[in-house]
Amino acid sequence: DTGVSQDPRHKITKRGQNVTFRCDPISEHNRLYWYRQTLGQGPEFLTYFQNEAQLEKSRLLSDRFSAERPKGSFSTLEIQRTEQGDSAMYLCASSQRRGPSGNTIYFGEGSWLTVV
Amino acid sequence: GENVEQHPSTLSVQEGDSAVIKCTYSDSASNYFPWYKQELGKGPQLIIDIRSNVGEKKDQRIAVTLNKTAKHFSLHITETQPEDSAVYFCAASDSSGSARQLTFGSGTQLTVLP
Repeated sequence: DTGVSQDPRHKITKRGQNVTFRCDPISEHNRLYWYRQTLGQGPEFLTYFQNEAQLEKSRLLSDRFSAERPKGSFSTLEIQRTEQGDSAMYLCASSQRRGPSGNTIYFGEGSWLTVV
Repeated sequence: GENVEQHPSTLSVQEGDSAVIKCTYSDSASNYFPWYKQELGKGPQLIIDIRSNVGEKKDQRIAVTLNKTAKHFSLHITETQPEDSAVYFCAASDSSGSARQLTFGSGTQLTVLP
């Protein structure tokens, strides 16, 4: 069990460019979450997948944001036409609906985005 | 929706002393309360969690208490060590829906002074 893996760990992009982050959840975890965290704040929920289905989206997830989990394994989060306000750490997390962990949510190390 | 408030925002203790962080929540339907530790530049790491059918849970030097009537829960760290220095987040969620969506507090920066 290698934990939740995120790539890239750091990304600097110019305003207006598109960026994509990848998340590989803990193997056999069927639930996957994306959160956003800005400096000095707790993580904020963005969206959630159960297997390949995107079941919930926060109002924070504007039209410029899209997330996919095509085969129910890894997930991508794309931000189009980035704005300076998008600068944050994007956290991926996963959980297993059943089993000993009882839907406990485990986070990855995050992907830092800086929009200049 | 759920709102979680966390206090204090910063806490300094001497090594070996105890540290207590408190959180309150607003949604009486919340029934799961995890605590995460986050070190600089890293993701949140789960350190302990408690479900609403339990009033207290302990794991070595860490304990969490829950008062559902008052809608507050607390993290207790005893015999603090310098490596306990980090930001601690409480969270709450309602698992009655399809997802365990966590609402986080704003964090407590704990500094353990050697």
